[in-house]
Amino acid sequence: NAGVMQNPRHLVRRRGQEARLRCSPMKGHSHVYWYRQLPEEGLKFMVYLQKENIIDESGMPKERFSAEFPKEGPSILRIQQVVRGDSAAYFCASSQRQVLWPQHFGDGTRLSIL
Amino acid sequence: EDKVVQSPLSLVVHEGDTVTLNCSYEVTNFRSLLWYKQEKKAPTFLFMLTSSGIEKKSGRLSSILDKKELFSILNITATQTGDSAIYLCAVEAENNDMRFGAGTRLTVKP
Repeated sequence: NAGVMQNPRHLVRRRGQEARLRCSPMKGHSHVYWYRQLPEEGLKFMVYLQKENIIDESGMPKERFSAEFPKEGPSILRIQQVVRGDSAAYFCASSQRQVLWPQHFGDGTRLSIL
Repeated sequence: EDKVVQSPLSLVVHEGDTVTLNCSYEVTNFRSLLWYKQEKKAPTFLFMLTSSGIEKKSGRLSSILDKKELFSILNITATQTGDSAIYLCAVEAENNDMRFGAGTRLTVKP
């Protein structure tokens, strides 16, 4: 049973480009969580989604960031017009139901902005 | 395969007790070990450990790393109900890969 799959593992973008990060939850999981970890800092919650719905996006920056979890396919975290400060590790987690702290994390996507 | 194992998974104590949470790991090219406290959605960063034998301390919390035996412990003395949370251990490798443990759910009863 495959775990949470994130891709790409590493993503390099130039300032102003768009970054799309994908997360496929574990089989049978319909809840997805996105976190960001900046260098030397802890994890920061960004957004919590169920299939086709954003449940909590209180941790998402107001501009340039968006997330979706369509009926079919992976969850996508999209960052438009990236800036240097977007460089970070982005982690996705999934669960079968809403939980305080999801147990199953992906390996993360390291985003580097040139 | 890299892995991080925390124990116990769940722990119930009474106020004033001292608790020790464990985190063992097998990670290629270890770089650092991090402890988090998770109360609501966003985990709170507690400690980052990179060197063996050097205790990090913050109030009633302390942590130490043993790179030879590949584990870390998080101690909480004189526990309070506000310490109730999930404590998460994560290990970072030189290639920036990070592995998380499943967490220890601590419940402190009055």
